[in-house]
Amino acid sequence: NAGVTQTPKFQVLKTGQSMTLQCAQDMNHEYMSWYRQDPGMGLRLIHYSVGAGITDQGEVPNGYNVSRSTTEDFPLRLLSAAPSQTSVYFCASSSGGARTGELFFGEGSRLTVL
Amino acid sequence: AQSVTQLDSQVPVFEEAPVELRCNYSSSVSVYLFWYVQYPNQGLQLLLKYLSGSTLVKGINGFEAEFNKSQTSFHLRKPSVHISDTAEYFCAVSVYGGATNKLIFGTGTLLAVQP
Repeated sequence: NAGVTQTPKFQVLKTGQSMTLQCAQDMNHEYMSWYRQDPGMGLRLIHYSVGAGITDQGEVPNGYNVSRSTTEDFPLRLLSAAPSQTSVYFCASSSGGARTGELFFGEGSRLTVL
Repeated sequence: AQSVTQLDSQVPVFEEAPVELRCNYSSSVSVYLFWYVQYPNQGLQLLLKYLSGSTLVKGINGFEAEFNKSQTSFHLRKPSVHISDTAEYFCAVSVYGGATNKLIFGTGTLLAVQP
């Protein structure tokens, strides 16, 4: 059972570079989301989507773009990386949305911006 | 807007001792409450959730939590911990009945079980 798959697991970028973190789920979940995890700050919601073609901002959306062209995929784009974006990123999906449903998490992508 | 406070960043405890991890929430409307667990180098997984009904909720691995509306708390408890319970625990809240579809997490509590 694949569940939620994130790639890459590790990435080092230089300031100003762009990249895309990939997230794919094989559970036919309508709801998908991206969080970042930083020491002492818990998980903070970046963007989320309730279905293909629909996205919305979370708590910390600045510097990140998302799109949802299919149910399965929800990529997170950093257009111009900054050291403040050094973090561990988690993708999560749910069949019932964030309100009452159980979120299934990927294993995370660790990003370092130099 | 809703928020979650986990006052204890780290809780050391000896094996087979009881433990309580504290969580308080703030919201002007009704909420749903969750506890998630994160083992080292892994993603989070759901431990238990409160949606409605009985205020005492039982989860996996012998954990339980009690919803207390008057004290706006949702503390997590286990009567006897094991070494394998060492992990970070996150309390989370979502809003009931609103248009929003967000799960907001606390800052986490590291449970360190010592032999």
